[in-house]
Amino acid sequence: EIVLAQSPGTLSLSPGERATLSCRTSQSVSSSFLAWYQQKPGQAPRLLIYGASIRATGIPDRFSGSGSGTDFTLTISRLEPEDFVVYYCQQYASSFTFGPGTKVDIK
Amino acid sequence: QVQLQESGPGLVKPSETLSLTCTVSGGSIGSSSYYWSWIRQPAGNGLEWIGRIFPSGSTDYNPSLKSRVTISLDTSKNQFSLKVNSVTAADTAVYFCARQRVGATRGWFDPWGQGTLVSVSS
Repeated sequence: EIVLAQSPGTLSLSPGERATLSCRTSQSVSSSFLAWYQQKPGQAPRLLIYGASIRATGIPDRFSGSGSGTDFTLTISRLEPEDFVVYYCQQYASSFTFGPGTKVDIK
Repeated sequence: QVQLQESGPGLVKPSETLSLTCTVSGGSIGSSSYYWSWIRQPAGNGLEWIGRIFPSGSTDYNPSLKSRVTISLDTSKNQFSLKVNSVTAADTAVYFCARQRVGATRGWFDPWGQGTLVSVSS
């Protein structure tokens, strides 16, 4: 099983700042088989990024993804108030597993 | 626009069977372009993929749950279902249904249902 680790566990920032979230996989994820989701309290996860760097339909361009192999990054260029929630990465190179999440909260 | 909605009992007794249904609207569950999955999230914790079904009826399960899980579908009702046998408190979670595109390069989940909380308690 491919295990995903996300860091930091919590990221404390202010609106307008840049957020950099990390996802590391225990094995190389070929062809960038990695997705990112946003989850607001009481809601289902929402797909943000797939293929490591492709924004899903309707996702604002302040969200971007990068990386390959075992190291991936989700960047939020300028935090809006609604962005202070939890983010998960997911790999689909071998079955399907998720990271434990990074919470972005207001500093 | 496809929408998914979970339904089923919110409380199940230990050792009994958890049963949930996902109703799909705005699209056909019989389309050969998609898999239909179940994912769960214990309170305050991360996400765990349970398994999925293809319109042909073929299934894939998480090895950690495979012995207790059955996923089926009813194309006449545009629904698919989850059964988890011999539940314990560890099965208490919010259960989501979700869609996946067919293809090795397309394993992300989108869209998701809103989720339903199932508690296991006597």
